Amino acid sequence: DGGITQSPKYLFRKEGQNVTLSCEQNLNHDAMYWYRQDPGQGLRLIYYSQIVNDFQKGDIAEGYSVSREKKESFPLTVTSAQKNPTAFYLCASSIRGENTEAFFGQGTRLTVV
Amino acid sequence: QKEVEQDPGPLSVPEGAIVSLNCTYSNSAFQYFMWYRQYSRKGPELLMYTYSSGNKEDGRFTAQVDKSSKYISLFIRDSQPSDSATYLCAFMIYNQGGKLIFGQGTELSVKP
Repeated sequence: DGGITQSPKYLFRKEGQNVTLSCEQNLNHDAMYWYRQDPGQGLRLIYYSQIVNDFQKGDIAEGYSVSREKKESFPLTVTSAQKNPTAFYLCASSIRGENTEAFFGQGTRLTVV
Repeated sequence: QKEVEQDPGPLSVPEGAIVSLNCTYSNSAFQYFMWYRQYSRKGPELLMYTYSSGNKEDGRFTAQVDKSSKYISLFIRDSQPSDSATYLCAFMIYNQGGKLIFGQGTELSVKP
């Protein structure tokens, strides 16, 4: 089945640790995105990538890093510099950057303990 | 002023009711208008999108866009308990990499 797979579903992080969230898609989509969702705030864009080996910052990139070494994969690292990392993280992809239908994964819920 | 305003609800209606969900926006550069549905602890899924003022219908769902008033709506007819979810309006500007700007989401509960 084609789709977007995010792992893990739940992740716990100690303060001061870096953690990496996985996002893999087998839809052959060029563009991939990372959003963060907090209660009452909708989704906010962290990073996005339109082609392999290229990515751009979104509205809230501070404390996060990404890589796009393969078309299918767009991992997100939440670094210790992110002061409030507890949130629901959603990965999305689309055929091309301008395509209006973005497909979302099922999300990773990150909690700092 | 926020770029997008959406009433967070929660909104509770009886089964069979007509539901109206609304968003206002301030950015005149928005060119694509979308509604996503998100079930609890799941990723959002696209319900409808349009790029022009007017109405677009798909089954029990109607999306309405009024660019002059910077206002979009989603109407759900004959609402069902399975419609209980959070509804997010979303906007896109052409030639900006497909980035989406979301409203805060409205939580809807349809009671049997």
